[in-house]
Amino acid sequence: EDQVTQSPEALRLQEGESSSLNCSYTVSGLRGLFWYRQDPGKGPEFLFTLYSAGEEKEKERLKATLTKKESFLHITAPKPEDSATYLCAVRETSGSRLTFGEGTQLTVNP
Amino acid sequence: KAGVTQTPRYLIKTRGQQVTLSCSPISGHRSVSWYQQTPGQGLQFLFEYFSETQRNKGNFPGRFSGRQFSNSRSEMNVSTLELGDSALYLCASGGVVRYFGPGTRLTVL
Repeated sequence: EDQVTQSPEALRLQEGESSSLNCSYTVSGLRGLFWYRQDPGKGPEFLFTLYSAGEEKEKERLKATLTKKESFLHITAPKPEDSATYLCAVRETSGSRLTFGEGTQLTVNP
Repeated sequence: KAGVTQTPRYLIKTRGQQVTLSCSPISGHRSVSWYQQTPGQGLQFLFEYFSETQRNKGNFPGRFSGRQFSNSRSEMNVSTLELGDSALYLCASGGVVRYFGPGTRLTVL
């Protein structure tokens, strides 16, 4: 059974203080690893898809990386508007469902 | 291009009642999947439909059901509501990348 574990559960940063979020996964065969951002009361917003170890993707202050066992979401010089819950999900090769981690709640203080 | 739309956005029901939620996918998307999100369990997969056929189903009781119409719009139904069914119900459309709607917040009293 697919498993996804995210850490830390919550993270507080000062504006400009860079950090990383972790997503560890166990799947029989990875078809894709997805990062989403979710604001309170809203649906998850797609950020990135990673497919193979060594792959990296960037968007503004965010950079996602992938290894065979985990993914990192690096946040460089965050701003208060980056405050949200960041969700990681995996899709295995034999299925179509996404298995989500519990998320990391990020708060960036001005 | 319009995103995924879900109606209603908020619902309050009492135990024992049934509820129907609706989802309209992004134009051109034939796959629709449903997820339940609660503080304790996170996002849990309910089921997925593709071209009116259920392609995959999660570990939820038979009280949870769904269907998809020829225009790709989907509905999910929960019968005999329980307090534990209170959650944000999210619909997603798309193939490789799933784009989520804003959700329907269901409260069961």
